[in-house]
Amino acid sequence: AQRVTQPEKLLSVFKGAPVELKCNYSYSGSPELFWYVQYSRQRLQLLLRHISRESIKGFTADLNKGETSFHLKKPFAQEEDSAMYYCALRGFGNEKLTFGTGTRLTIIP
Amino acid sequence: DVKVTQSSRYLVKRTGEKVFLECVQDMDHENMFWYRQDPGLGLRLIYFSYDVKMKEKGDIPEGYSVSREKKERFSLILESASTNQTSMYLCASSPPGPVDEQYFGPGTRLTVT
Repeated sequence: AQRVTQPEKLLSVFKGAPVELKCNYSYSGSPELFWYVQYSRQRLQLLLRHISRESIKGFTADLNKGETSFHLKKPFAQEEDSAMYYCALRGFGNEKLTFGTGTRLTIIP
Repeated sequence: DVKVTQSSRYLVKRTGEKVFLECVQDMDHENMFWYRQDPGLGLRLIYFSYDVKMKEKGDIPEGYSVSREKKERFSLILESASTNQTSMYLCASSPPGPVDEQYFGPGTRLTVT
């Protein structure tokens, strides 16, 4: 079975402060991890995937297999980062995604 | 640019009614998905389809069925709507392969009274 845990339902951060959204997973094999984001009145969209090792909108996420974590980080928060963030896992050879419960990030001006 | 459209943004139905939610994608994707999105519960997979006429149950299929007669269209059916099916329903599509992203529609907010 695969499971994704996002421990924080709500997170408020001041503009310019660092942001970290936590994601832990449970999966026996090699997972593929993703972060999806939903801005106000917009559709859910992919933010980044661990396999690409890319930085999108200043966000990065490193897969830590020892701690089974895939935390999303940004060094300096911006107001436009306010959104709902979902961590998601895909098991090896599987087309389906398992999503976490989401974290609503609010950036305080 | 991938486009996933859903037939309605808002829908209000009565308990016991049969409800159809339609989803269309224009990128020739093999995979299509139906999720419901609830506060505090995240996205939960209801059904998905990996080809025409093929379907597989997700995590919460009870009370729902699906239909995929054409590659571009995936329908979610509530045979007899109940109040606990009040939710936001999201459709998504993706090409085959483990790494590709899912592309989401704008969602249908269904209220069952």
